[in-house]
Amino acid sequence: AQSVTQLGSHVSVSEGALVLLRCNYSSSVPPYLFWYVQYPNQGLQLLLKYTSAATLVKGINGFEAEFKKSETSFHLTKPSAHMSDAAEYFCAVSETGANSKLTFGKGITLSVRP
Amino acid sequence: GAGVSQSPSNKVTEKGKDVELRCDPISGHTALYWYRQSLGQGLEFLIYFQGNSAPDKSGLPSDRFSAERTGGSVSTLTIQRTQQEDSAVYLCASTPDVGFGYGYTFGSGTRLTVV
Repeated sequence: AQSVTQLGSHVSVSEGALVLLRCNYSSSVPPYLFWYVQYPNQGLQLLLKYTSAATLVKGINGFEAEFKKSETSFHLTKPSAHMSDAAEYFCAVSETGANSKLTFGKGITLSVRP
Repeated sequence: GAGVSQSPSNKVTEKGKDVELRCDPISGHTALYWYRQSLGQGLEFLIYFQGNSAPDKSGLPSDRFSAERTGGSVSTLTIQRTQQEDSAVYLCASTPDVGFGYGYTFGSGTRLTVV
């Protein structure tokens, strides 16, 4: 069975500071991994995904994530936070070879201080 | 259409009433998913449709919940005898196919409030 752990529910950074949102997964087979962002009163938007190609994945809005099998992690980073990055971020896992049903973490709310 | 469309965007209903939520996926997408998002609970899988295969209903929380997908396109999620704990945002998503890590395209959701 697959699962995702996102520790903490809220992260606050200053504008221009590094953003680091943590995600650890559990999967019995090689996983596909995703990060989604949700702005207030909107649906979820795909930020980036790992599908067994390059372990460092670049996404939209300057975000990137690195797949580390030994650590079962897929942390999301951005070198310099912008006010517009304030949103809720969800990590998700899907098992390869199966249907693409995603299991989501509980999400992390990112606040950006001016 | 260009994206996944859900209607209504907001629904307020009285406890005990039935509600229907509609999802219109991206044209050509064969897989369609329903999730429920409750405050502080993340996204909870409800049901999944893929082509003409039998749907995966393993996430439906009770027999008051049902869903159908007509003609491989539009889907309707029905909640009978609504309860206050059904209040949540119901999200629909679609993908072109399965098993290839496409990721979902989500609609904006239906916010259901049971009073």
